[in-house]
Amino acid sequence: KNEVEQSPQNLTAQEGEFITINCSYSVGISALHWLQQHPGGGIVSLFMLSSGKKKHGRLIATINIQEKHSSLHITASHPRDSAVYICAVSFPFGNEKLTFGTGTRLTIIP
Amino acid sequence: EAQVTQNPRYLITVTGKKLTVTCSQNMNHEYMSWYRQDPGLGLRQIYYSMNVEVTDKGDVPEGYKVSRKEKRNFPLILESPSPNQTSLYFCASSLTVNEKLFFGSGTQLSVL
Repeated sequence: KNEVEQSPQNLTAQEGEFITINCSYSVGISALHWLQQHPGGGIVSLFMLSSGKKKHGRLIATINIQEKHSSLHITASHPRDSAVYICAVSFPFGNEKLTFGTGTRLTIIP
Repeated sequence: EAQVTQNPRYLITVTGKKLTVTCSQNMNHEYMSWYRQDPGLGLRQIYYSMNVEVTDKGDVPEGYKVSRKEKRNFPLILESPSPNQTSLYFCASSLTVNEKLFFGSGTQLSVL
């Protein structure tokens, strides 16, 4: 079964800290998505990766294809970064489905 | 403005009463999909569509139907809703499954 695991499940940090959220998957993938869901429910796509590294503002996403692992980093964290962060992967072989991790709940304390 | 419009935002219904949740996108995306989100289980894909008249099951399709008669619309149909379909539902679209996803604002469904 194709599985996606995220860690940690919950993370509380002080404002300004460097944050890392991890996503591991069991088999080779076509692409990996990082999503953000704020309290109130709306979901926003942060990154789509198939290799390497992407950066947007204070957010950095990396993926290691050989190790089947991706990380989402937040530099200089701020209370407005408090949200649930979700990774999702698509697998190859003609399969257009998405499989999701259960999410990481991040709380940044002022 | 590029967007995915999902309606209604909230819906309370009773067991067995057919309902439709609408989803429309204005970005000419080929890929559209439906998800449900439940506490402790995260997001799970219900159905997806790669293009007009092309749909396929996700991980939890039982009790749901979809249709893709036009590129912009992808309604989710519950022909006989049951309480275990009480959930938060999201529609999303993208050029392909390997491109950036755009989500609707969600539908909170309660089946009594």
